[in-house]
Amino acid sequence: DQQVKQNSPSLSVQEGRISILNCDYTNSMFDYFLWYKKYPAEGPTFLISISSIKDKNEDGRFTVFLNKSAKHLSLHIVPSQPGDSAVYFCAASGYALNFGKGTSLLVTP
Amino acid sequence: SQTIHQWPATLVQPVGSPLSLECTVEGTSNPNLYWYRQAAGRGLQLLFYSVGIGQISSEVPQNLSASRPQDRQFILSSKKLLLSDSGFYLCAWSVWLAYYNEQFFGPGTRLTVL
Repeated sequence: DQQVKQNSPSLSVQEGRISILNCDYTNSMFDYFLWYKKYPAEGPTFLISISSIKDKNEDGRFTVFLNKSAKHLSLHIVPSQPGDSAVYFCAASGYALNFGKGTSLLVTP
Repeated sequence: SQTIHQWPATLVQPVGSPLSLECTVEGTSNPNLYWYRQAAGRGLQLLFYSVGIGQISSEVPQNLSASRPQDRQFILSSKKLLLSDSGFYLCAWSVWLAYYNEQFFGPGTRLTVL
């Protein structure tokens, strides 16, 4: 049973605009969430995280928002750049990480 | 600094042949270790995790097995590969007993079973 869901398999955004990637989870016991970025044929790399005691965390162009009541989080990338094109995985922390299926982001010039 | 190594990077094996993928971590002690698989068009599926030498937990029934003969070594094996074993295999580590389970991934092994 998929406890972390990324319902958009792909997203295309123009360079300079905002990219918004969404993630939903079902287990209210999750209290720490992470976003990973993955290029083809490489391992995922950690991007940004958020604890459930916060509703927003910023790191440069990347901001993660958490809505605990809706069990929803989102990753905003502003401004989007062509180098941001990759697959983005949302994950929720338990004894291991529960990953969503990923969203493939394409940033076009 | 910590580094994680996986080899081989790519592997093509016939159905029914054995498999051994190796993962080693440097620069940390007593890490938690994980094996994930990403099949084509699918997300990251946790296969095994280990909190110490000889301690392996399996997440899904399959014809794969894992072993941890040393603190920083994690091995994924199979006696007889199936076509469905094809995929991208990732090893990851995290700090032992860390409250927040941030994991760091290796470069992965692309396995094709023909």
